[in-house]
Amino acid sequence: RKEVEQDPGPFNVPEGATVAFNCTYSNSASQSFFWYRQDCRKEPKLLMSVYSSGNEDGRFTAQLNRASQYISLLIRDSKLSDSATYLCVVDGANNLFFGTGTRLTVIP
Amino acid sequence: DAMVIQNPRYQVTQFGKPVTLSCSQTLNHNVMYWYQQKSSQAPKLLFHYYDKDFNNEADTPDNFQSRRPNTSFCFLDIRSPGLGDAAMYLCATSRDLGRDIYEQYFGPGTRLTVT
Repeated sequence: RKEVEQDPGPFNVPEGATVAFNCTYSNSASQSFFWYRQDCRKEPKLLMSVYSSGNEDGRFTAQLNRASQYISLLIRDSKLSDSATYLCVVDGANNLFFGTGTRLTVIP
Repeated sequence: DAMVIQNPRYQVTQFGKPVTLSCSQTLNHNVMYWYQQKSSQAPKLLFHYYDKDFNNEADTPDNFQSRRPNTSFCFLDIRSPGLGDAAMYLCATSRDLGRDIYEQYFGPGTRLTVT
């Protein structure tokens, strides 16, 4: 079983829509959870860190469910500029385990 | 201002010809990482340094080596590149935030082509 699993998508949504991604992780001892955004041929950039039950930053909300071992990312009022691959990342003691990413395309 | 810098951004090397990729950081982070990322795949951790302590991933080929002469710099040496080593190589840094929390910050990557 992979450490981190994500739905690869692609998710194609109209501008202004709300979209949610889910991610499951296998290590119940993990303490730190992150969502990274990666544009095509660019480096991953930290979008949100999740340490407790969740985190909210503007249009972005991340939620953590430790009992079910999943993390979600909700994007409200999608913008064209939100088009990217979203990587779910979970700590593994001194390093991170990356999901393969969910591809989002926001359509005008 | 760039905080994690990688040079060169694009590198072309010949099959079997050694190549070195470099990474520097201005964040004074104590942990530095090297990842390999191929198209449509997640970044794959090759190794990391916690201060001067080198930690190699079990499945990292011997062909890949690393050096960290000081806190700011870290190098990735590929001794004999094969066609399968063509990829984006990402350097990242982090610091221990306590409770095993390590937010990682990535450099722009070096795209390696092997001919």
